[in-house]
Amino acid sequence: AQSVTQLGSHVSVSEGALVLLRCNYSSSVPPYLFWYVQYPNQGLQLLLKYTSAATLVKGINGFEAEFKKSETSFHLTKPSAHMSDAAEYFCAVSRSNNFNKFYFGSGTKLNVKP
Amino acid sequence: GAGVSQSPSNKVTEKGKDVELRCDPISGHTALYWYRQSLGQGLEFLIYFQGNSAPDKSGLPSDRFSAERTGGSVSTLTIQRTQQEDSAVYLCASSRPTGEYTGELFFGEGSRLTVL
Repeated sequence: AQSVTQLGSHVSVSEGALVLLRCNYSSSVPPYLFWYVQYPNQGLQLLLKYTSAATLVKGINGFEAEFKKSETSFHLTKPSAHMSDAAEYFCAVSRSNNFNKFYFGSGTKLNVKP
Repeated sequence: GAGVSQSPSNKVTEKGKDVELRCDPISGHTALYWYRQSLGQGLEFLIYFQGNSAPDKSGLPSDRFSAERTGGSVSTLTIQRTQQEDSAVYLCASSRPTGEYTGELFFGEGSRLTVL
């Protein structure tokens, strides 16, 4: 079975500070892992994905995530937060041999303080 | 169209009424998904369509929920005899054909359903 756990439903950082959003997964087969972002009143959009190539994945807007198999983690980071990063972030997993089911975490709302 | 289009964007209905939510996927996308996003919860998978294959309905929460996809394009999610616990944002997403698959879902902006 696949599942995703996001620690912290709300994270608040100051502008310019490091952003760290945590995601742990469980998967019975090698996973594909994703981070999606949802800005207010918008649909979700893909931020970055891991599909068994490089373990450090770079996405849009300066975000990156590292796949750590030993820790079953795929944490999202950004060195310096910007006000425009305020949004809700969702981690998701799908099976590498079955794309039709994506399992999403409960989301983390990122607040960026001036 | 340029993106996934959902309608209505907002729907307020009375308990017991039926509602229909529509999704128009990106042209050429063969896969279509419905998810439900409730306050403080993640995205709950409802149903998946892939081309002409039988849909995966394993996420539908009760027999009051049904969905169809006509002509491999537009999809309608129907909720019969709505209950207050059905209040949520219903999200539709589509993705490219399997041979071109990139692992990316393209989401619409959602239909917010409020059941009074």
